[in-house]
Amino acid sequence: KAGVTQTPRYLIKTRGQQVTLSCSPISGHRSVSWYQQTPGQGLQFLFEYFSETQRNKGNFPGRFSGRQFSNSRSEMNVSTLELGDSALYLCATSGAALNTGELFFGEGSRLTVL
Amino acid sequence: QKEVEQDPGPLSVPEGAIVSLNCTYSNSAFQYFMWYRQYSRKGPELLMYTYSSGNKEDGRFTAQVDKSSKYISLFIRDSQPSDSATYLCAMTTSGGSYIPTFGRGTSLIVHP
Repeated sequence: KAGVTQTPRYLIKTRGQQVTLSCSPISGHRSVSWYQQTPGQGLQFLFEYFSETQRNKGNFPGRFSGRQFSNSRSEMNVSTLELGDSALYLCATSGAALNTGELFFGEGSRLTVL
Repeated sequence: QKEVEQDPGPLSVPEGAIVSLNCTYSNSAFQYFMWYRQYSRKGPELLMYTYSSGNKEDGRFTAQVDKSSKYISLFIRDSQPSDSATYLCAMTTSGGSYIPTFGRGTSLIVHP
């Protein structure tokens, strides 16, 4: 069974640009969550999509947005990049019927903003 | 105060030592408790999963939950250099949001 696939793995952008990250979930997983991970803040929840609908949202500014397609693949977008957006962005998927918190993570997209 | 507290370390131990990793939490509604392991430049992977209080053992790993103290632990016996990683605790409630709350992670270094 293929795992969670995130692209691109690494990218460098400059302030003010925008970026789009992609996540392909494990087959059959309909819940896709996005996290930002930095050394100082740890894993911070961005948002979660289920059946193309945003079901939960974290405490991030509107520059961070996402969407989910009918095949459960998801994208997240960050507009007007700031230096502080440099981080590892992780996608996590779940197929659990219950709220158990069992997540399967991709390897992440490491974003550097110069 | 954060909802889940975890000492970031690093925790450095010799090979073969017993390792104890811990998290405390403040939300008494948490029912599901997980430990994730994250190797450098990789995404976290689920290591152990426990429901409510008690112990769960899987090979060299034991997860322990004490809900009365709001304290969870992960013990690693006979630690190996390959166990060197960051260990994140996570927990969720039994209803409501499906989003686990993560600790910041503890960096573990097992040296030969």
